[in-house]
Amino acid sequence: EIVLTQSPATLSLSPGEGATLSCGASQGVASNNLAWYQQKPGLAPRLLIYDASTRATGIPDRFSGRGSGAEFTLTISRLEPEDFAVYYCQQYGASPTFGGGTKVEI
Amino acid sequence: QLQLQESGPGLVKPSETLSLSCTVSGGSINTSDYYWGWIRQPPGKRLEWIGSVSESGKNYLSPSVRGRVSTSVDTSKKQFSLKLTSVTAADTAVYYCARHRITIFGVVIIIHPFDHWGQGTLVIVSS
Repeated sequence: EIVLTQSPATLSLSPGEGATLSCGASQGVASNNLAWYQQKPGLAPRLLIYDASTRATGIPDRFSGRGSGAEFTLTISRLEPEDFAVYYCQQYGASPTFGGGTKVEI
Repeated sequence: QLQLQESGPGLVKPSETLSLSCTVSGGSINTSDYYWGWIRQPPGKRLEWIGSVSESGKNYLSPSVRGRVSTSVDTSKKQFSLKLTSVTAADTAVYYCARHRITIFGVVIIIHPFDHWGQGTLVIVSS
C-alpha cells in the first residue's frame, strides 16, 4: 500500500496570500496518478486536480498541481475566502489511498 | 446534474452488519463508463477507499476490509449498496458514496479519482 504524507498539517495564511501544500509518497506513484481534493466542514470532498496537474471541471486556475514520482505539490496562487478548507492528496491505482490532509486556515 | 445520496442506519451494534445504499439521480447508473464506490472517514482520520462496483455487479475491494465487505447494484432502483459484516468501533465513520472511472489493462487496474460524491452519512458502531 502506498502511504501518502502531507505537509504541513496546518497552514495559517491570509486572503490574497499564496499557499503551497506538499504530498509525499512512500513509493513512486505510477503515471503521476495523483489527485487533490478540497473538503469543507460537513461537506464531501471536491475533486480539484487529477493526473497530478490537470484541473477538474470548473476549478479556477488559481489552483495548480505539479510533481512526479513520489513528490507532489498543490499551489493556490491567491487565497480567496472560500479556499480555507482541508486539502487531501490521493494516489489512484488498484487500491487508492489518501493523505492525512493539510488544513488551510485564516 | 448528477447527485448521489447515501441512506441507512446511523447506529449499528458491534458484531452486526452495516448496510448502506446510495441512490443516483440526475444521471444513469447503468453505464459501463463508471464504477460506483464507497469511501469512509473515521473521526479525525484520513479518508479510506472501501470498494467499488460496476453496473454489472463486478467489484473491486480494499484489502483492508476484504472478507467483511460486499457491494451490489440494483440498476432498476438506481442504487448501489454496501454491506460490512462483524463491525467494531473502528468502523465508526462518515461513509460516502462516489462515482469514478476505471481502467483495466490486463491485470493492471486503475481506480480513477472520485468526481461526484454523496453528502456522506455518519454510522456509529456502539451497543
